[in-house]
Amino acid sequence: NAGVTQTPKFRVLKTGQSMTLLCAQDMNHEYMYWYRQDPGMGLRLIHYSVGEGTTAKGEVPDGYNVSRLKKQNFLLGLESAAPSQTSVYFCASSYVAPQETQYFGPGTRLLVL
Amino acid sequence: AQSVAQPEDQVNVAEGNPLTVKCTYSVSGNPYLFWYVQYPNRGLQFLLKYITGDNLVKGSYGFEAEFNKSQTSFHLKKPSALVSDSALYFCAVRDIMDSSYKLIFGSGTRLLVRP
Repeated sequence: NAGVTQTPKFRVLKTGQSMTLLCAQDMNHEYMYWYRQDPGMGLRLIHYSVGEGTTAKGEVPDGYNVSRLKKQNFLLGLESAAPSQTSVYFCASSYVAPQETQYFGPGTRLLVL
Repeated sequence: AQSVAQPEDQVNVAEGNPLTVKCTYSVSGNPYLFWYVQYPNRGLQFLLKYITGDNLVKGSYGFEAEFNKSQTSFHLKKPSALVSDSALYFCAVRDIMDSSYKLIFGSGTRLLVRP
């Protein structure tokens, strides 16, 4: 049982390049989330999904797209990376109930030059 | 709007002393409250949560937190700090009426336990 995994662990991009971050969970969770973590700002929600084939915008969605084609995977895409997207990205998942705990992946560190 | 405040960027304590990491929240409805810990270059690990019932919640690694509805607070405590407790701590709130079940996080408090 690996829990929540994220690939890659670290990536350097040039401005304007694109990339996809992959999140996978093996806990059969319905809900999945993408957050970004910046110093002094805690974690902010980018996009989330309440089930396979569904996605919704969070607090800071601009510049990102997501897809949830399979229940266990949640992809975060950057179509044209900007230096402001330099951050640490965390994926999380949970069962369908408000009292359920969100479980986090180890994070992806992204540097945009 | 939902929000969480962690008023201290850093808390310093000596090993063996009690520690408190403060958290206050604001939600329109009733809250579910969570504490997570983050060690360097790691993801967030769940410590404890308040859902309902007893206002004193016990969690992992000897941590506990007290829910105070009148003060809208959920402070994290431990009776005797360890050097290994040094990490970044996040408080988070969820409004039970929000169907997205998203968490709103505070900005984090760095705990430094000196030997």
